[in-house]
Amino acid sequence: QLQLQESGPGLVKPSETLSLTCTVSGGSISSSSYYWGWIRQPPGKGLEWIGSIYKNGNTYYNLSLKSRVTISVDTSKNQFSLKLSSVTAADTAVYHCARAYYGDYGVWGQGTLVTVSS
Amino acid sequence: SYEVTQPPSVSVSPGQTARITCSGDKLGDKYACWYQQKPGQSPVLVIYQDTKRPSGIPERFSGSNSGNTATLTISGTQAMDEADYYCQAWDSGTAYVVFGGGTKLTVL
Repeated sequence: QLQLQESGPGLVKPSETLSLTCTVSGGSISSSSYYWGWIRQPPGKGLEWIGSIYKNGNTYYNLSLKSRVTISVDTSKNQFSLKLSSVTAADTAVYHCARAYYGDYGVWGQGTLVTVSS
Repeated sequence: SYEVTQPPSVSVSPGQTARITCSGDKLGDKYACWYQQKPGQSPVLVIYQDTKRPSGIPERFSGSNSGNTATLTISGTQAMDEADYYCQAWDSGTAYVVFGGGTKLTVL
């Protein structure tokens, strides 16, 4: 059974870079036609798509975040990662990694809360 | 940028049919899916590719997508269906994803 697990610092200072990793177990990140994505949810608010990466390395980003986001994949570790630069308090959220097939995210990690504060 | 809009809240009596809409320009030309999220939990996919149900999702959940509107229908709504529901659109040409703002379904 495929499982995804987010990891990374729970506290990031303003203006710094948020870095998270999603470890995939129970399946290979490089197999089949899946998109591997990041979605966030500020406390008490709705879901926001951050972006995704395809097995061929192509990346797709939310236009509102594109200038600050980088998503990459490490197939040797079966992981994919998120970097979000120049963070502010508005970036405080639960960050989820998830797997999509044809755009629908059928498998999600449990999510990790990242707080931006000095 | 592309946007999809949902009503903030929908109320339904137990056993009745709940309908949650999602509106966007030519949404029917894109794929729509729906997620259920209960407090403190990750979202769960309940409808994908407009009308399909993942394994393990009850038959009372169904979906449609045509014109500018996608609809999630829950027939015979149960108390356990009370949750936030999010629609999501996906453009197969650009691989761009957008979520609706979410609808709180209250079963009372």
